[in-house]
Amino acid sequence: GEDVEQSLFLSVREGDSSVINCTYTDSSSTYLYWYKQEPGAGLQLLTYIFSNMDMKQDQRLTVLLNKKDKHLSLRIADTQTGDSAIYFCAGNQAGTALIFGKGTTLSVSS
Amino acid sequence: SAVISQKPSRDICQRGTSLTIQCQVDSQVTMMFWYRQQPGQSLTLIATANQGSEATYESGFVIDKFPISRPNLTFSTLTVSNMSPEDSSIYLCSVRGDRGGEQYFGPGTRLTVT
Repeated sequence: GEDVEQSLFLSVREGDSSVINCTYTDSSSTYLYWYKQEPGAGLQLLTYIFSNMDMKQDQRLTVLLNKKDKHLSLRIADTQTGDSAIYFCAGNQAGTALIFGKGTTLSVSS
Repeated sequence: SAVISQKPSRDICQRGTSLTIQCQVDSQVTMMFWYRQQPGQSLTLIATANQGSEATYESGFVIDKFPISRPNLTFSTLTVSNMSPEDSSIYLCSVRGDRGGEQYFGPGTRLTVT
């Protein structure tokens, strides 16, 4: 089945760009997702990309998808302290439920 | 987007008891999912609940422990039965949006079993 891997921690300074990386195993994933989870809160859908796209940009967020390498990344431009959270990468398997990575904790220092 | 609410938002329960978690969506959805997030962990799918059919459970989860109801296209319940401290987790309801790609999550129910 699908396996999704992420680095566990990323620390950046306010104003810098953050890049969170994810690799996945199932090339049949139709969509790939990025979710944000702040302490004590649920999951917020940040963005998702269809598997036939290479890039998707939404304000400060840029998603890059390299299907050949099965690599997904989320770039956050001008990172703010409010971006501190856990970021989960996920893919859907056979069009059904999502398979999640373990999450990357982003720490933003001022 | 779909707006999802869950009740209760949190609860502290005694070992051996059961808790039913409710999930309400502001629009009709075909596919609804229940996930568990154990402390400090990622999310694991418990089951898929489609209206009009029995829930489909993932490996490691059984109906006797996690019975699910899906009486209509906007509502579902998950019961955590005969609870033990290992069931302490956040339980999240999730739905797929109309555009197919979008998938939304409720705020979660934080369960602590003592």
